[in-house]
Amino acid sequence: GAGVSQSPSNKVTEKGKDVELRCDPISGHTALYWYRQRLGQGLEFLIYFQGNSAPDKSGLPSDRFSAERTGESVSTLTIQRTQQEDSAVYLCASSSQGQIYGYTFGSGTRLTVV
Amino acid sequence: AQSVTQLDSQVPVFEEAPVELRCNYSSSVSVYLFWYVQYPNQGLQLLLKYLSGSTLVKGINGFEAEFNKSQTSFHLRKPSVHISDTAEYFCAVSTANQAGTALIFGKGTTLSVSS
Repeated sequence: GAGVSQSPSNKVTEKGKDVELRCDPISGHTALYWYRQRLGQGLEFLIYFQGNSAPDKSGLPSDRFSAERTGESVSTLTIQRTQQEDSAVYLCASSSQGQIYGYTFGSGTRLTVV
Repeated sequence: AQSVTQLDSQVPVFEEAPVELRCNYSSSVSVYLFWYVQYPNQGLQLLLKYLSGSTLVKGINGFEAEFNKSQTSFHLRKPSVHISDTAEYFCAVSTANQAGTALIFGKGTTLSVSS
């Protein structure tokens, strides 16, 4: 596609439910990143995929968070047993050559846990 | 570990005035530096980047930034702002010459331009 596509754009869920957020990167981009942006905060790195290499999961805040990516295509971020502090905008970005050429960001998924 | 500090959370200015958005970073190794902009209801987009070479880098929409290694700063400047520059600006850092490391972002600076 022409850009990074994220779905849904908005998600309201009840505390304790599981949610799945989807990211469709730009075709051919080997690197894919997930970030979280809480209200009034900067972007918090969550996880990074590069081709078929093992992902860098160092930013995942707890074992309730997980992500998958099949090859160089779609990625899914899953949050289990959601808590109110998980409320945030979840941003996905992709890049063709790592960080050097800059990321292309999606518009994000706004998650609200009630 | 690397970190980024954006010293001003909000910067209000009048149209056609100059502006400087401050960014300081902390790192024990060489870095790449970036500024991203997020216009209202839009995704983040790259404004400019410093990888190597000239310490003064120019970006889109008339913005420029200067890398100062001794002061570990990468301040963003524009000599004359427009209403359309109203947005949130993020400074980011990554380890140089190490492909694939994630960018570390600051908390952002909201630039509000009024007439």
